Amino acid sequence: DAGITQSPRHKVTETGTPVTLRCHQTENHRYMYWYRQDPGHGLRLIHYSYGVKDTDKGEVSDGYSVSRSKTEDFLLTLESATSSQTSVYFCAISADSSNQPQHFGDGTRLSIL
Amino acid sequence: GQQVMQIPQYQHVQEGEDFTTYCNSSTTLSNIQWYKQRPGGHPVFLIQLVKSGEVKKQKRLTFQFGEAKKNSSLHITATQTTDVGTYFCANPRGGQNFVFGPGTRLSVLP
Repeated sequence: DAGITQSPRHKVTETGTPVTLRCHQTENHRYMYWYRQDPGHGLRLIHYSYGVKDTDKGEVSDGYSVSRSKTEDFLLTLESATSSQTSVYFCAISADSSNQPQHFGDGTRLSIL
Repeated sequence: GQQVMQIPQYQHVQEGEDFTTYCNSSTTLSNIQWYKQRPGGHPVFLIQLVKSGEVKKQKRLTFQFGEAKKNSSLHITATQTTDVGTYFCANPRGGQNFVFGPGTRLSVLP
């Protein structure tokens, strides 16, 4: 598997608290993605990055922000978590935006009470 | 926006039976990718199709890309319990990212 590490793997927190998820890659890939996966919805893109400090919104970006200060790290922040953000979050990387496979991390299971 | 539909949503088969999932797009696709996600796991890339009418095989898996490049299929011959999981198709959008279909969840009864 590609060198992708997500942390934490599991987190339980309360509504209104800030949460940051980290994705770290050792592949030096340009593109990095954050998805959430919920029953009945498949994988939905939250934000993605096409380079250091270059990010853009996906289809479900409300309530989330991202940062990429280094090629290897892509952070996803929930400024004030809500129960609707309870989900499994996957990070993915790709060498190319539309012509190369995406390689996924193991996911973070986030529960917001 | 660009949408991808997959059918069926669920499929239960007896081990040894064949299985097919279909991916349909409202627009012409430059390429399409297929992923498999085992229960509790993460999506894993299976294959990419690029050419109109392309057919690719991986052991018992056969992937097809439609002539009009608006649909694709994944066929598994003689399913095994190791085939259990959810199969997703994904297609590029805007040159920057992929849109994933909702997936087809396959159950294989021994």
